[in-house]
Amino acid sequence: AQRVTQPEKLLSVFKGAPVELKCNYSYSGSPELFWYVQYSRQRLQLLLRHISRESIKGFTADLNKGETSFHLKKPFAQEEDSAMYYCALSRNNNAGNMLTFGGGTRLMVKP
Amino acid sequence: ETGVTQTPRHLVMGMTNKKSLKCEQHLGHNAMYWYKQSAKKPLELMFVYNFKEQTENNSVPSRFSPECPNSSHLFLHLHTLQPEDSALYLCASSQDQGGVGYEQYFGPGTRLTVT
Repeated sequence: AQRVTQPEKLLSVFKGAPVELKCNYSYSGSPELFWYVQYSRQRLQLLLRHISRESIKGFTADLNKGETSFHLKKPFAQEEDSAMYYCALSRNNNAGNMLTFGGGTRLMVKP
Repeated sequence: ETGVTQTPRHLVMGMTNKKSLKCEQHLGHNAMYWYKQSAKKPLELMFVYNFKEQTENNSVPSRFSPECPNSSHLFLHLHTLQPEDSALYLCASSQDQGGVGYEQYFGPGTRLTVT
């Protein structure tokens, strides 16, 4: 069975500091991983996906199959990055796109 | 209205009541999902519908009954719920064409309280 673990429930940093939100997964197949974000009073939305290999709002995430990790990083945190971040693993068995979410990490960026 | 909408936004019901949650997507997607988000557990997938056919039931108790009359509408019928069913119920949709995982678009959720 697939599983996604985010070991930190809360991460608090100062503005301008580097940020790393940890995500580890277990999955027997070829993983497709995502980071979703939920800002205050907004709905859950996609931040980035590993297959795109893109940087969104300064965030990047690299899939490390050896360590089964997909950590989210940003070199200089901004106050507007404060939000709830969820790592998710997708499995698709031709019956639909099933997402398994981690427990989430709340990022607080202090001024 | 665009995107994914859910009604009602808040619902309080007794354990003997019957109620329904509604989700509508205006994105032309073919797959829709119900998730449960409770305080003590990660976001949990409940049901998946692909082209109106249920393709996943993630061991959800029968007191939750989904219905998908067409690709744009999804319902969750509730009856004889338990207090532990109190949670935020999220609906999502995606354009699923098989193979790679597509972005899911989420609704704002229905906050359900079972008394």
